[in-house]
Amino acid sequence: DAGVIQSPRHEVTEMGQEVTLRCKPISGHDYLFWYRQTMMRGLELLIYFNNNVPIDDSGMPEDRFSAKMPNASFSTLKIQPSEPRDSAVYFCASSWDTTDTQYFGPGTRLTVL
Amino acid sequence: GESVGLHLPTLSVQEGDNSIINCAYSNSASDYFIWYKQESGKGPQFIIDIRSNMDKRQGQRVTVLLNKTVKHLSLQIAATQPGDSAVYFCAETWGGGADGLTFGKGTHLIIQP
Repeated sequence: DAGVIQSPRHEVTEMGQEVTLRCKPISGHDYLFWYRQTMMRGLELLIYFNNNVPIDDSGMPEDRFSAKMPNASFSTLKIQPSEPRDSAVYFCASSWDTTDTQYFGPGTRLTVL
Repeated sequence: GESVGLHLPTLSVQEGDNSIINCAYSNSASDYFIWYKQESGKGPQFIIDIRSNMDKRQGQRVTVLLNKTVKHLSLQIAATQPGDSAVYFCAETWGGGADGLTFGKGTHLIIQP
């Protein structure tokens, strides 16, 4: 298996633009997680899905952030409109169940100018 | 509020020596703990986990110790190698599962030649 796949690896955009981050979880994993990592706040869980259904989105910072999982092999995290303070590394992770290890993707480094 | 924190942000050890990375947690309800390793430019990688019904768990060159009395978690790495240089995160959760992980800010382990 190729592991968790994320794209793009790097994204540079201007304030106000829409940004879409993509994730392909490991095949067979029922759980998918989106995290954000910054120097100031460390790793923060934004939202997670179970069988494509959002379970807990309490970590989503505000309405500018939205996440979808249209099928078991694809998820998106969208920021609209983006702001400079959204600059961070965004990670996607997946696991078989809640008691199992989470496998992380390589991350998307987002820079909002 | 409840949080997971690390005592030492940076730890420098000689190659071949043993290293100990510490983590304090404040949520007495936490019952599942994970150590992750994150190398530069990569996503966190699972190292080892432990549940609250255990005090110690060993892996390959790594040992995790859990002291529930003082809410303390440690990661011991034996015979450190240059490839061990990374940031190490402890994470906690409760409810018997790995959903809603709360990560500490991380300790940067530096292996001196």
